[in-house]
Amino acid sequence: NAGVTQTPKFRILKIGQSMTLQCTQDMNHNYMYWYRQDPGMGLKLIYYSVGAGITDKGEVPNGYNVSRSTTEDFPLRLELAAPSQTSVYFCASSYSSYEQYFGPGTRLTVT
Amino acid sequence: QKEVEQDPGPLSVPEGAIVSLNCTYSNSAFQYFMWYRQYSRKGPELLMYTYSSGNKEDGRFTAQVDKSSKYISLFIRDSQPSDSATYLCAMSAISGTYKYIFGTGTRLKVLA
Repeated sequence: NAGVTQTPKFRILKIGQSMTLQCTQDMNHNYMYWYRQDPGMGLKLIYYSVGAGITDKGEVPNGYNVSRSTTEDFPLRLELAAPSQTSVYFCASSYSSYEQYFGPGTRLTVT
Repeated sequence: QKEVEQDPGPLSVPEGAIVSLNCTYSNSAFQYFMWYRQYSRKGPELLMYTYSSGNKEDGRFTAQVDKSSKYISLFIRDSQPSDSATYLCAMSAISGTYKYIFGTGTRLKVLA
């Protein structure tokens, strides 16, 4: 099993550009999550999904959108990128509600 | 006041030392507690999970919860250079929730 995979690993965006961060898991987990991790700020939940077709906002959803058309994929869309979205983004999935498996992260810089 | 407080470190210890990592929290409703380990430029991985108060041991790792003091700890015995990482605590009030509050992480360096 590859676990949770994320692409790209790194990306530099200009202000106002858009992009999609890809996340795929091969563990047949129903639950999937997107977090951002800023220095000194811990992990903040952006969006989560409890199954295909079901998504909900987390703590910091503004500026982001998600979709969940399949169990495996949970892409995160950034529209009109802003410098405040410079961060490391982690996707995670879980079978139960507590043991989350994280991907390797995407480092995004918006300039 | 943050809901979860964690000293960012770095904490440097010699190999073989006992390490104590701690988090304090303000929400008395928290009853599900986790410790994650995160190596540099990697995603976090779950180390320990505890419910309510008490101790839980797994090999060289012991997780301790003191709900009366709103304080949780992770002890690492016989620390190794491979334990060098950032340790994040996370906690929640509700079973089955997907919304855990994470601490900011403590960076640990174990010196050979």
